Amino acid sequence: DQQVKQNSPSLSVQEGRISILNCDYTNSMFDYFLWYKKYPAEGPTFLISISSIKDKNEDGRFTVFLNKSAKHLSLHIVPSQPGDSAVYFCAAANSGGSNYKLTFGKGTLLTVNP
Amino acid sequence: NAGVMQNPRHLVRRRGQEARLRCSPMKGHSHVYWYRQLPEEGLKFMVYLQKENIIDESGMPKERFSAEFPKEGPSILRIQQVVRGDSAAYFCASSPGQAAGYTFGSGTRLTVV
Repeated sequence: DQQVKQNSPSLSVQEGRISILNCDYTNSMFDYFLWYKKYPAEGPTFLISISSIKDKNEDGRFTVFLNKSAKHLSLHIVPSQPGDSAVYFCAAANSGGSNYKLTFGKGTLLTVNP
Repeated sequence: NAGVMQNPRHLVRRRGQEARLRCSPMKGHSHVYWYRQLPEEGLKFMVYLQKENIIDESGMPKERFSAEFPKEGPSILRIQQVVRGDSAAYFCASSPGQAAGYTFGSGTRLTVV
């Protein structure tokens, strides 16, 4: 039973345009969400996070939006750059319980074309 | 300041052998987490350890898998009598306290032949 779903295995965008990566979750106990970026043969790198008390968090070119009622979050990258090409994982945690335990989606491979 | 160090990067084992994966956390980090990524899957939590203690091993298979984080030295994930289904990337992460936004190592890719 997948509690965190990334329904798009891949996404291709042009350099300079916006990349939008989506993530849905089913467990209503999740209240802290993270995005990780992963290059081949490397470990995931933390990108940005959001707590359920917010609906938006911004860090430079990266913005995460959270829609609690829809149990949906998205990562926006503007403008996209070729170096952003990687697999992006959405992850969720329950800060009131086992806050260290992350539940990951399967990832979305983003390709940014020059 | 070195990051989370995992070795070996690649490990090949025959069915029935033992696999030992090592993880040295970042300096000053005393909390270690192990995750496994099967092909075409996301990372799945296995175990959370602090020095000399297993805090949560709810994600560990009941048999053949064990983990430790001794007072001195790296954390070790041990898989006895490996089978083909154990082939995966194993990632270790560390944090200074119990937290979700931790730092991952580059992983150990285990191949069982």
